[in-house]
Amino acid sequence: DTAVSQTPKYLVTQMGNDKSIKCEQNLGHDTMYWYKQDSKKFLKIMFSYNNKELIINETVPNRFSPKSPDKAHLNLHINSLELGDSAVYFCASSQNRDRARADTQYFGPGTRLTVL
Amino acid sequence: QQQVKQSPQSLIVQKGGISIINCAYENTAFDYFPWYQQFPGKGPALLIAIRPDVSEKKEGRFTISFNKSAKQFSLHIMDSQPGDSATYFCAASFTGFQKLVFGTGTRLLVSP
Repeated sequence: DTAVSQTPKYLVTQMGNDKSIKCEQNLGHDTMYWYKQDSKKFLKIMFSYNNKELIINETVPNRFSPKSPDKAHLNLHINSLELGDSAVYFCASSQNRDRARADTQYFGPGTRLTVL
Repeated sequence: QQQVKQSPQSLIVQKGGISIINCAYENTAFDYFPWYQQFPGKGPALLIAIRPDVSEKKEGRFTISFNKSAKQFSLHIMDSQPGDSATYFCAASFTGFQKLVFGTGTRLLVSP
């Protein structure tokens, strides 16, 4: 069984388009994340949701909007795509029942977004 | 501002050798230090993690050494194998925030 799944795996689109990436976790975790990995492999957190509530929102353009319909899903919608948005986007989840301790984050397989 | 600095950027080790990757952090509020392993086309996966109340943690061939006063921690891979060839990321986070700050990654190649 896939723990954290993302769709699509590859996404090629034109500049200016709007696209969405979906993420689902079947681990029963409370917290989900979106990370961006650039061409130099640098990983940076974008957003984090805990029980459908936004708890981390890094300096990300307003064109990026996460949506969490329930605690097992966290989707990422991107408006007006730009060349610089080309990257691999990873969804992750963690338990975080105990706020006093950091828990393992489990990553999905990634979505490679290419903006032409 | 890079809060977690990682070196080297790339590393080539002979099969059976020891691979050592180093990280340094700036913020003393960090209290959780995981290492992630990433194979091409895959997501990062937790390899081993340490909290600052211990100076070393070992799991199989993988060991984290932690130096709180120097604000440094390192990953040692003993008896390195070609299957260990991957990109390794150190990371750090704060209690209660669950925000992982990653190092820049080390691409390890273990030659047969």
